[in-house]
Amino acid sequence: DGGITQSPKYLFRKEGQNVTLSCEQNLNHDAMYWYRQDPGQGLRLIYYSQIVNDFQKGDIAEGYSVSREKKESFPLTVTSAQKNPTAFYLCASSEVQETQYFGPGTRLLVL
Amino acid sequence: AQSVTQPDIHITVSEGASLELRCNYSYGATPYLFWYVQSPGQGLQLLLKYFSGDTLVQGIKGFEAEFKRSQSSFNLRKPSVHWSDAAEYFCAVGLTNFGNEKLTFGTGTRLTIIP
Repeated sequence: DGGITQSPKYLFRKEGQNVTLSCEQNLNHDAMYWYRQDPGQGLRLIYYSQIVNDFQKGDIAEGYSVSREKKESFPLTVTSAQKNPTAFYLCASSEVQETQYFGPGTRLLVL
Repeated sequence: AQSVTQPDIHITVSEGASLELRCNYSYGATPYLFWYVQSPGQGLQLLLKYFSGDTLVQGIKGFEAEFKRSQSSFNLRKPSVHWSDAAEYFCAVGLTNFGNEKLTFGTGTRLTIIP
């Protein structure tokens, strides 16, 4: 089946710790995205990438980092600089200038 | 910058009744418009999209939406809701200049279905 997978489903972070969220797609899409979702708010774009080895900051990139070494993978690292990381994180992919399709999400909680 | 307003935070509808969810956008040109649905703890599923052409768009699960340029609206409708339609619904707008790299989402409308 083609689709987008995110792991883990739940992730716990300790103070001062960096954590990495995984996003993999087998749709052969060029573009990939990371969004953050908080209760009562819409999705906010963290980072996006239109091609391997290139990515751009979204609206709320501070405290986050990404890499795009392979077309099918776009991991997101939540660094210790992100002071309020508790949220639901959604990964998406698309052909460039086409519809975005979303993964099932990762819920990040702070211990 | 573009923006999306979903004025209804929460709507309750009886099963079998009709539904309309409102979406207004602010953008200087013709946007790409989307409706997504999200069940609790899940990702977003695309219901329908408008890029150009016919302003009445049909989607999955019996949903439709109408693009009204004069009102800057893209309201979602369904003639008869089912209990399985209970979820959160998000309207989104994309920039036509850059395709979908810059999707802006509304804050969502939570739909509750009562028997």
